[in-house]
Amino acid sequence: GESVGLHLPTLSVQEGDNSIINCAYSNSASDYFIWYKQESGKGPQFIIDIRSNMDKRQGQRVTVLLNKTVKHLSLQIAATQPGDSAVYFCAERWGNKLTFGTGTQLKVEL
Amino acid sequence: GAGVSQSPRYKVTKRGQDVALRCDPISGHVSLYWYRQALGQGPEFLTYFNYEAQQDKSGLPNDRFSAERPEGSISTLTIQRTEQRDSAMYRCASSLAPGTATSTDTQYFGPGTRLTVL
Repeated sequence: GESVGLHLPTLSVQEGDNSIINCAYSNSASDYFIWYKQESGKGPQFIIDIRSNMDKRQGQRVTVLLNKTVKHLSLQIAATQPGDSAVYFCAERWGNKLTFGTGTQLKVEL
Repeated sequence: GAGVSQSPRYKVTKRGQDVALRCDPISGHVSLYWYRQALGQGPEFLTYFNYEAQQDKSGLPNDRFSAERPEGSISTLTIQRTEQRDSAMYRCASSLAPGTATSTDTQYFGPGTRLTVL
């Protein structure tokens, strides 16, 4: 499949370690934020979301943290697995539109 | 269950030709979105519909691009007089609830159509 991660920042982690992927968003008026995972040759897949009135939300093995003061979003993946290897995009919503960040390539080393 | 489907998956065309890209959203989904994604970048918003009504087309690059969703289900993105700079992955997404400033309904993406203009 096509390479989504061409020229993207890369995070390499050992299998079983925790991963932290960071994202800076641009619009202080954005009210909703989402993390998507994109594997090669596939469309973005929803992972977890958070509204602007929250600062933390947990899912299964994933946690999203929101710091509105510095317009920063992070995705934490616990016990990273080989299947987590992909490009991860954060997206912010303002009005009716999603604006996606650049993306981070996560590589899981065995 | 069936997700968002797009056709064709790959389209190669010559400069100056018109192309039509199709999106079939998840059944029952009210909102449908079109994005364009360049290699190594996140999807870029083009336009979206609630039911058959086009709500926002501010992301369409120029008037060669148009989209319709006449019956509130399948949508077609048409590019007239294609140019090489139109080459990209075109992605469609749908969400259950109408896209509004307050809803947080998840957008589900399709596999995309890879357009190559020679």
